[in-house]
This record gives sequence, structure tokens and C-alpha cells, in this order.
Amino acid sequence: DVKVTQSSRYLVKRTGEKVFLECVQDMDHENMFWYRQDPGLGLRLIYFSYDVKMKEKGDIPEGYSVSREKKERFSLILESASTNQTSMYLCASSSTGGGEKLFFGSGTQLSVL
Amino acid sequence: GDSVTQMEGPVTLSEEAFLTINCTYTATGYPSLFWYVQYPGEGLQLLLKATKADDKGSNKGFEATYRKETTSFHLEKGSVQVSDSAVYFCALSQGGYQKVTFGTGTKLQVIP
Repeated sequence: DVKVTQSSRYLVKRTGEKVFLECVQDMDHENMFWYRQDPGLGLRLIYFSYDVKMKEKGDIPEGYSVSREKKERFSLILESASTNQTSMYLCASSSTGGGEKLFFGSGTQLSVL
Repeated sequence: GDSVTQMEGPVTLSEEAFLTINCTYTATGYPSLFWYVQYPGEGLQLLLKATKADDKGSNKGFEATYRKETTSFHLEKGSVQVSDSAVYFCALSQGGYQKVTFGTGTKLQVIP
């Protein structure tokens, strides 16, 4: 079975902490994405990457950065966590020749206190 | 920019009822359109897609037709089951890197 794995299902952090969210896919996909999901707002794209060491800003990149050192791994970094970053974070991947189908991980619920 | 608007939820239906979830989009080009479903505690998964005008996507009894003239992609199912209870997201994609824009989601609850 193809898989996108997010390192934590639940995470609790304090304001000002540096937070790393990890995502690994085993499908050799070129494209990887980080979304956040909030009630009433749906999914909003934070960053995406279409190749190793490449990254592009999504719709809400402020307060976040990303790293993609290997094809299978895409990390989301909150440099200094704030309470308004409490959210469900979803990682996804897709293949360039795959008809635009996204494969999602099961999400990380981050609470910043 | 591109955007997707879908009906507010939650939608509560009795088992075997007919389902419609409305979705309209705004896009400058000719996007591909999708419906994704999110079951409780899981990530999203693709339910169906359509890539050009008048295409009909279908899967698991769900259908949606790409209507360019009304910029719509409404989701329908003739007879819902309790197991269809989930959140449904309409989405579009166009341009490079397969960036997908999602609607806000519609929660469906089916009661026996």
C-alpha cells in the first residue's frame, strides 16, 4: 500500500518553541505539500516542493519554513510557535505524471499553549 | 486567484436519501476538478475527478459532472449509507506543480 506518513498524530508545544513536523512518502513522488486544516476555512496551502531542495510558497507561508533534503522527506518548521498556529497539519504528495491526484497523510494535530 | 465555494454543512440525511453537495469554482483557465473525502481520524482521499468540460467523474456510487457554463461540480449520490458519513471537499487544480485549491468542506452525517 502506498503511504504518506506523518511523524506524530498529536503534538503539544509551548509558545516560542521551534517545532518540526516530518512527512515521509514511499511512492517516489516528485511533489510534496503542507496544508493546514481549520474549521470553516478548509485546507490552505502553506508550502510545496516539486523537487529536492526546491520549495515554493503557498497561500499562507508566514511563520513557517520547509526543508526537503531527500526526495521522500518534507519537513515543516515553525521557527517560533504561536497560539494561532494551533491547527491540523496535513502532508500530501503527488506524482508529476499522476493526473494531479494527491495522497495524504493522516495529519498532525498541533496545539500551541 | 482560483477559489472553490461549497455549501455549508453539516448536512444530515437519513439512510437511503438522495445527496447533493453543491460546489462552484472560480478559475482563469481550464482546471481539473476533484472531490476528496475525509473519514473521521484520517487524511483526505480522492473520491472522483473530471479533467474537462462535460466529463463525469464517478466512484462508489458518487457522481459529479464538470459544468463549464455554470462553473460547477456538484456531488451527487442516489442512496447514502451510514458509512458515507465524512467531510467532503471540492477542489481544483491547474497550472504547474499540481497545486490544488480546496473548498471549506461539507460535513455529511447519515443517520440510520
